[in-house]
Amino acid sequence: KAGVTQTPRYLIKTRGQQVTLSCSPISGHRSVSWYQQTPGQGLQFLFEYFSETQRNKGNFPGRFSGRQFSNSRSEMNVSTLELGDSALYLCASSPNTYEQYFGPGTRLTVT
Amino acid sequence: DAKTTQPPSMDCAEGRAANLPCNHSTISGNEYVYWYRQIHSQGPQYIIHGLKNNETNEMASLIITEDRKSSTLILPHATLRDTAVYYCIVRVAGPSADGLTFGKGTHLIIQP
Repeated sequence: KAGVTQTPRYLIKTRGQQVTLSCSPISGHRSVSWYQQTPGQGLQFLFEYFSETQRNKGNFPGRFSGRQFSNSRSEMNVSTLELGDSALYLCASSPNTYEQYFGPGTRLTVT
Repeated sequence: DAKTTQPPSMDCAEGRAANLPCNHSTISGNEYVYWYRQIHSQGPQYIIHGLKNNETNEMASLIITEDRKSSTLILPHATLRDTAVYYCIVRVAGPSADGLTFGKGTHLIIQP
């Protein structure tokens, strides 16, 4: 079974731009979560989607948004990028209520 | 307010068993113990989880004390590829408002 895939793997953007990241979960997984990971703050939860509905949301500003499609694929969008948004963005899918399976991440650099 | 305590780093010789301890003295009755690891620059990897019984899968074994206040993750025959940061997490099963929260974890270094 293929793992969680994320595209693109690396991205360089300029302050003020917006970015869209994509995540394809493991086949059959309906829950998709997004995380931001930085050396200073560690792993921080952004949001979780289940059956196209946002089920939980972390403490991030409204510039961070996401959605899930009927095939469980998910996208997250960050508008008006700031330097502090530079991070590894991780997507995780889950088949049930227990373990989460992470993708390789998208490394975003904002200059 | 950390729910788990792990040593910051450990060494283990290749081929030997790596035993990673975790203290979770305030664990609630409905909270599970989960272990994940993260190899440098990769996404975290789920390893194993348990409630109160010992668990084993193809990657590792999880030993939980009878009072559930601590646990040990055992990698039976460590290889160089097991060098990673290992995170012990306690949480209830199911979605939660804050997702997974990783502490500082244990940096396990497998020595050749």
